[in-house]
Amino acid sequence: EAQVTQNPRYLITVTGKKLTVTCSQNMNHEYMSWYRQDPGLGLRQIYYSMNVEVTDKGDVPEGYKVSRKEKRNFPLILESPSPNQTSLYFCASSRGGLGQPQHFGDGTRLSIL
Amino acid sequence: DQQVKQNSPSLSVQEGRISILNCDYTNSMFDYFLWYKKYPAEGPTFLISISSIKDKNEDGRFTVFLNKSAKHLSLHIVPSQPGDSAVYFCAASADGSSNTGKLIFGQGTTLQVKP
Repeated sequence: EAQVTQNPRYLITVTGKKLTVTCSQNMNHEYMSWYRQDPGLGLRQIYYSMNVEVTDKGDVPEGYKVSRKEKRNFPLILESPSPNQTSLYFCASSRGGLGQPQHFGDGTRLSIL
Repeated sequence: DQQVKQNSPSLSVQEGRISILNCDYTNSMFDYFLWYKKYPAEGPTFLISISSIKDKNEDGRFTVFLNKSAKHLSLHIVPSQPGDSAVYFCAASADGSSNTGKLIFGQGTTLQVKP
């Protein structure tokens, strides 16, 4: 089954404690991206990757890091989480350019206390 | 600065009638537009898209219209069904012109279809 898998699905943690949200896709997609969803703001792109070892900033990259060492994995790293990063996060992947529909994971709800 | 705007946070329609969801954008470089649907506790799923070289794209009950001069697009659902109740996001990219990989989403519109 084609899917994008995010882990964990839920996490409550404290300010400053480094965390990583993993994202893995089994569709051999070149493009992967991270978004956060906040009330009234819709989905905002954090980082994206056009292919292995190619990453770039989206609209709200501050406080986040990513890496793309393998095609299937695109982890999101919060080095020093802060309460304003409390949000619902989605990973997505697609084949090729943005004209192709993106497949989204089911989301990770992060609460930073 | 919200480059893609969905000014109606919610919409309620009767089953069988037409649902029209609207989206406005400000960046004239956008050349590809997509609609996604999202149910609670799930990730968004792709619904329909349109390239800026077209003004209409149809897929079953779903039709997207693009008015480039007005920088406006709309999603029509006919006939609406209770299972269509979800949050709808429009999204835009300048992929063709700049290949930046950036995708800009609107705030979303919650559609409720009443039986």
